[in-house]
Amino acid sequence: EAAVTQSPRNKVTVTGGNVTLSCRQTNSHNYMYWYRQDTGHGLRLIHYSYGAGNLQIGDVPDGYKATRTTQEDFFLLLELASPSQTSLYFCASSGTGDSDYTFGSGTRLLVI
Amino acid sequence: AQSVTQPDARVTVSEGASLQLRCKYSYSGTPYLFWYVQYQRQGLQLLLKYYSGDPVVQGVNGFEAEFSKSDSSFHLRKASVHWSDSAVYFCAASTGNVGDNSKLIWGLGTSLVVNP
Repeated sequence: EAAVTQSPRNKVTVTGGNVTLSCRQTNSHNYMYWYRQDTGHGLRLIHYSYGAGNLQIGDVPDGYKATRTTQEDFFLLLELASPSQTSLYFCASSGTGDSDYTFGSGTRLLVI
Repeated sequence: AQSVTQPDARVTVSEGASLQLRCKYSYSGTPYLFWYVQYQRQGLQLLLKYYSGDPVVQGVNGFEAEFSKSDSSFHLRKASVHWSDSAVYFCAASTGNVGDNSKLIWGLGTSLVVNP
């Protein structure tokens, strides 16, 4: 079954630490996205990509890097994590930028 | 600039009652429109979508939505809610950008509480 799989499910790190969130999709979709979800802010787009090696800046990119290594795999990197990055992170994929999205189950990140 | 507004942060209804969740969009043309649902501790799932044609679209679990160009709205409805419909509902619209810059923009969500 086509899906979007995120790992880890939960992560705790210290301020200044390094974190990598992983996302793999088996939908054969071109587009992949990283969002963060915070109470009162809804979904905010961090980075997205429309193919392997491509990266587009989203609406809240500061403090985040991303890399799309293959069509299936999209990584979100926090190189100097801060408490403000404590959030629920979602990965999603879509065939085109304006078609329906398939979401992963989310990664809950706590930066202490 | 394009935007999606869900004016109700929280809606509470009794089980068996009818439901309408509101969504307004700001867009110069006719966007693609979507409703997603997020159950507790899960990712978002597509409920229904509108691309063109019949303004009333049917979705899963008895949900439907009606597109109105004159009102710039895409309200979600259900005739009779069940306690399991308690969730957060998101409305989304395409930006209208073409090619590689196209993506969806999201409302802030409406939390639905269904009392048994």
